[in-house]
Amino acid sequence: DQQVKQNSPSLSVQEGRISILNCDYTNSMFDYFLWYKKYPAEGPTFLISISSIKDKNEDGRFTVFLNKSAKHLSLHIVPSQPGDSAVYFCAASESGTYKYIFGTGTRLKVLA
Amino acid sequence: SQTIHQWPATLVQPVGSPLSLECTVEGTSNPNLYWYRQAAGRGLQLLFYSVGIGQISSEVPQNLSASRPQDRQFILSSKKLLLSDSGFYLCAWATGDHGELFFGEGSRLTVL
Repeated sequence: DQQVKQNSPSLSVQEGRISILNCDYTNSMFDYFLWYKKYPAEGPTFLISISSIKDKNEDGRFTVFLNKSAKHLSLHIVPSQPGDSAVYFCAASESGTYKYIFGTGTRLKVLA
Repeated sequence: SQTIHQWPATLVQPVGSPLSLECTVEGTSNPNLYWYRQAAGRGLQLLFYSVGIGQISSEVPQNLSASRPQDRQFILSSKKLLLSDSGFYLCAWATGDHGELFFGEGSRLTVL
């Protein structure tokens, strides 16, 4: 049972435009969400997170939006740069469980 | 500052052979420790996590096991590897119930 889903396996965006990566979850008890970026043969690196008490969090070019009623979150990257090309994972956690559940990832390609 | 190391980086093992992957965290105490696996074309699957010495929680029943002999050491083992054990194994740590999850560099395991 996949509790965190990223339904788009890949996305291509022109440099300078906005990249929007989507993530859906099924467990309404999740209350903390994170986005990670991963290059091949490396460990994922943390990008941005959001608590369920918020609906938006911004850090530089990265903004995460959370829609609790739809159990949906998205990561916006503006403007997109070629160095942003990587696989992006969303993750979710429920207080008290200490577990982080990851989605299947979306491969972003930013075209120069 | 905190650092996490895992080794070996690459491993090629025959079916039926044993496995030992080691992970060490420095610069923090009593971290929560995690083992994830990324199989080809799949997301990050949580295998084991530990909130303290000797405390191991297993997420996926399989022929792998984990141990935490010291506060900042986490070991992934198998007595007999299967072909399906091939993948990219990632160790990670976090503090507290919610917070960033920090990943190691990863270990590529190929079972032939």
